[in-house]
Amino acid sequence: GENVEQHPSTLSVQEGDSAVIKCTYSDSASNYFPWYKQELGKRPQLIIDIRSNVGEKKDQRIAVTLNKTAKHFSLHITETQPEDSAVYFCAASIGTSYGKLTFGQGTILTVHP
Amino acid sequence: KAGVTQTPRYLIKTRGQQVTLSCSPISGHRSVSWYQQTPGQGLQFLFEYFSETQRNKGNFPGRFSGRQFSNSRSEMNVSTLELGDSALYLCASSLSGALNQPQHFGDGTRLSIL
Repeated sequence: GENVEQHPSTLSVQEGDSAVIKCTYSDSASNYFPWYKQELGKRPQLIIDIRSNVGEKKDQRIAVTLNKTAKHFSLHITETQPEDSAVYFCAASIGTSYGKLTFGQGTILTVHP
Repeated sequence: KAGVTQTPRYLIKTRGQQVTLSCSPISGHRSVSWYQQTPGQGLQFLFEYFSETQRNKGNFPGRFSGRQFSNSRSEMNVSTLELGDSALYLCASSLSGALNQPQHFGDGTRLSIL
């Protein structure tokens, strides 16, 4: 089945720096890649997603890039703020698998003021 | 528009009991997926329902089951509870039956087994 590896497991940055989280997936049939942010004790919140027919997508300070050949995708957060501190999860979905997201293990991002 | 609502928020059970968790999707959403979240295993897919039919299932034992009602609300049942079932159970809804629709999560039900 699909497997998603996420790195790093923890990431510490200074406010204003950029943060990059990388994920690789195993199944070349995967075609949908969402990213979720989960603050302590709260629900995972969808922050951005990308489909396999697109190489890059941006939303203000957040961007996601996809390299289908290498089977990896990355989350980029620019001008980080303390409120960006949370656990970030990448996920992948195979187009024939209804409702199933396969998640990475998560990255704990800490932004120091 | 109200988000995904899960009840109850917290549950404490003992080994051998059974439990039923409820999920009300966002109004108009017809697909409901369930996930188990633990520190060791992360987020793992349990099953997905659409139009009262289970369309997909993860690698969990038969003690984990679910159903969906005509109003798209879904329930998940776990029988013969084990200590390892302690986890945060999350449901997520999406708009339609189309593949790869964005999923929106509820706050989860935290289940503790004593």
